[in-house]
Amino acid sequence: AQSVTQPDIHITVSEGASLELRCNYSYGATPYLFWYVQSPGQGLQLLLKYFSGDTLVQGIKGFEAEFKRSQSSFNLRKPSVHWSDAAEYFCAVVVDVTPGGGADGLTFGKGTHLIIQP
Amino acid sequence: KAGVTQTPRYLIKTRGQQVTLSCSPISGHRSVSWYQQTPGQGLQFLFEYFSETQRNKGNFPGRFSGRQFSNSRSEMNVSTLELGDSALYLCASSFDRPYEQYFGPGTRLTVT
Repeated sequence: AQSVTQPDIHITVSEGASLELRCNYSYGATPYLFWYVQSPGQGLQLLLKYFSGDTLVQGIKGFEAEFKRSQSSFNLRKPSVHWSDAAEYFCAVVVDVTPGGGADGLTFGKGTHLIIQP
Repeated sequence: KAGVTQTPRYLIKTRGQQVTLSCSPISGHRSVSWYQQTPGQGLQFLFEYFSETQRNKGNFPGRFSGRQFSNSRSEMNVSTLELGDSALYLCASSFDRPYEQYFGPGTRLTVT
């Protein structure tokens, strides 16, 4: 079964500084990759996705992520964070396990809690 | 276009009772998935429905069940509630394949 590792449980960044959140996945083939953000008491909002093609993908709110097959990584980046970016960030993967049918559900990492210092 | 809606938003139940949660997907979306989020286990896949049929299921006991109606709305049911069922239950919808999923705000279930 696939797995997702987010090695950083908490990250503290100063407002205006750059950000990189790490994500590694474990699966033989290239899965479909996602980053979601969750604010307290809220559901998950899709930031960006990678299915195929260009390995650098752009998302909403100024976020981008780079897929590196050789490292099985899909790290999330933002050049300058804002206080409103403080939230929980989840990396997720989904793979085709049923040809022509559904997938096995999103597999999520444990999340990275982002704290923004003024 | 309206997003995924879930009702109720908050629920308090007693151990041994059963509960039904409801989810209305984005208009036009036919796949609905359910997830459980707890501090200890994180986000875990419960099951996915497509065209009124359960297409995939996660590793949860049979106490957890669901269904989907012809208008793609979905319900999940948990019978014989246990304290460990306290969690945020999230519903997500997608057009057909459950890849690009959009989540609702969740239902916070507390079992006492």
